[in-house]
Amino acid sequence: AQSVTQLGSHVSVSEGALVLLRCNYSSSVPPYLFWYVQYPNQGLQLLLKYTSAATLVKGINGFEAEFKKSETSFHLTKPSAHMSDAAEYFCAVSDRGNTPLVFGKGTRLSVIA
Amino acid sequence: EAQVTQNPRYLITVTGKKLTVTCSQNMNHEYMSWYRQDPGLGLRQIYYSMNVEVTDKGDVPEGYKVSRKEKRNFPLILESPSPNQTSLYFCASKRGGGTEAFFGQGTRLTVV
Repeated sequence: AQSVTQLGSHVSVSEGALVLLRCNYSSSVPPYLFWYVQYPNQGLQLLLKYTSAATLVKGINGFEAEFKKSETSFHLTKPSAHMSDAAEYFCAVSDRGNTPLVFGKGTRLSVIA
Repeated sequence: EAQVTQNPRYLITVTGKKLTVTCSQNMNHEYMSWYRQDPGLGLRQIYYSMNVEVTDKGDVPEGYKVSRKEKRNFPLILESPSPNQTSLYFCASKRGGGTEAFFGQGTRLTVV
């Protein structure tokens, strides 16, 4: 069964600093990978996805993620944090069939002025 | 506008009183699912459906029922709610394998 591990349930960064949220997956074949963001009292919104095209994926709001097969990782980064980035971020994986998305436990990002 | 609509957004009920949370999508997606979100546990899948009249258990199906009589609707039924079902529930839909899932705004359920 697939699984996703997000290292760090809470990450705190200063405004303008690099954001790095970690995600590792377990899958025997390269899966589809997703990052979602959840703002307070809202549903989940797709940030970006990897579906076996370019390994560096650019998403909305200046976020990007790099798929590294050798490390089974799909870490999310943003060069300069903004106050509006404060939210909960979820990494998710699915295999290549029409199968459920499996989510990590989430990482809450705080941005300090 | 493409969307997944859940109702109600907030619900407080008493133990044992049957309730239904509705979910509807207007994107003609074949795949729909229900998740519950609890602090520190992320999103866990309750049930999913790959097409009309096809449903299957997710990771935490106990105490829940679903039905998929029409492509656009996927209600979640709690026949006899208990306090441990107090949670934030999300409905999601997607077109197929490898595609993104679209989420509803969530239903915050409290069972007292």
